[in-house]
Amino acid sequence: AQSVTQLDSHVSVSEGTPVLLRCNYSSSYSPSLFWYVQHPNKGLQLLLKYTSAATLVKGINGFEAEFKKSETSFHLTKPSAHMSDAAEYFCVVTVSGGYNKLIFGAGTRLAVHP
Amino acid sequence: GAVVSQHPSWVICKSGTSVKIECRSLDFQATTMFWYRQFPKQSLMLMATSNEGSKATYEQGVEKDKFLINHASLTLSTLTVTSAHPEDSSFYICSANGPTATEAFFGQGTRLTVV
Repeated sequence: AQSVTQLDSHVSVSEGTPVLLRCNYSSSYSPSLFWYVQHPNKGLQLLLKYTSAATLVKGINGFEAEFKKSETSFHLTKPSAHMSDAAEYFCVVTVSGGYNKLIFGAGTRLAVHP
Repeated sequence: GAVVSQHPSWVICKSGTSVKIECRSLDFQATTMFWYRQFPKQSLMLMATSNEGSKATYEQGVEKDKFLINHASLTLSTLTVTSAHPEDSSFYICSANGPTATEAFFGQGTRLTVV
């Protein structure tokens, strides 16, 4: 069965400093992994996705994530945080490697301080 | 990218009444749509998978008679919360797989408050 664990419920950084949001997954198959961002009372926006191509995935707004099979991890990083990055971030894995059901992590709330 | 529009964005209703939420794929056809529920400060929980022209598939613990799903066309799925109660108050979000099925696109969400 597929599952995803976001290791931090809250992350707080200063503007201009690096961001690291951690995600570990469990999958019986080759997984497809995603990071989504959600601003308050809004829908979800895709940041980036891994679908068995390059292990280092670059997304929008300067975010990137690296798929590490040996560590079953898919951590999200950004070199320099911006105030507008403050939001909820979800790591997501698909069921059975397809695009039907999405299994969401619990979410990580990112706070960015001036 | 593909656009999914959800309406209304927020609704307040009286306890005992029914509320319908629409999810439309604006520029692509979606044979499958998904309905999620999100409680405050929690993650999204899949409620059901909506299939065009057939019955929805509900996740365990979701009352199908309470949460009626209709997917009558390739661009529209509706979720009707019947006989709503305050505990049904939540944020409901729909999604649809894009035309190339490589990405899920989400609606803006609907904040339902039952008073």
